[in-house]
Amino acid sequence: GENVEQHPSTLSVQEGDSAVIKCTYSDSASNYFPWYKQELGKRPQLIIDIRSNVGEKKDQRIAVTLNKTAKHFSLHITETQPEDSAVYFCAASSARQLTFGSGTQLTVLP
Amino acid sequence: KAGVTQTPRYLIKTRGQQVTLSCSPISGHRSVSWYQQTPGQGLQFLFEYFSETQRNKGNFPGRFSGRQFSNSRSEMNVSTLELGDSALYLCASRPTGTGLGETQYFGPGTRLLVL
Repeated sequence: GENVEQHPSTLSVQEGDSAVIKCTYSDSASNYFPWYKQELGKRPQLIIDIRSNVGEKKDQRIAVTLNKTAKHFSLHITETQPEDSAVYFCAASSARQLTFGSGTQLTVLP
Repeated sequence: KAGVTQTPRYLIKTRGQQVTLSCSPISGHRSVSWYQQTPGQGLQFLFEYFSETQRNKGNFPGRFSGRQFSNSRSEMNVSTLELGDSALYLCASRPTGTGLGETQYFGPGTRLLVL
């Protein structure tokens, strides 16, 4: 089955700096890669996703890149703000299985 | 459309008891997945139901079971509760789980405390 590895497990950045979270997947059949943000005590919320026919996608300060050949994808957050502090999960989906990474605790220091 | 709902939101049980959690997916969604989340842990997959049938199962003991009804609502049952079962239980729904690139939406979770 699919295996998704996520790094780093914790990440601290200064407010205004950029943050990058990386994930690798094992199943070449995976073709959909969502990212979720989970604030303390709340449900995971989809923040951005990318499909395998696209190499990069941006939404304001958030971007995701996908390298199908290397089987890795990354989340980039620019101009980080304190409200970006949360746990971020990547996931990889084939036709029937959605597999999550282990999560990254992002802390934005004021 | 209304989002994924879960009941109850909070639950306190004692060891040895059993518990049933309920999840109502987004209208039209037929796939419901359940996850266990403990402090410092990721989203551990329990099982997925589609059209009243369990389609995928994670690595959890048989004390964890579930079912899905014809209206796609799903229940999860944990029997003989252990202290380690204290966790946030999340359910998530997506249209079919077979289509490519289907977004999965999470419910607010049920926080279970086992004493």
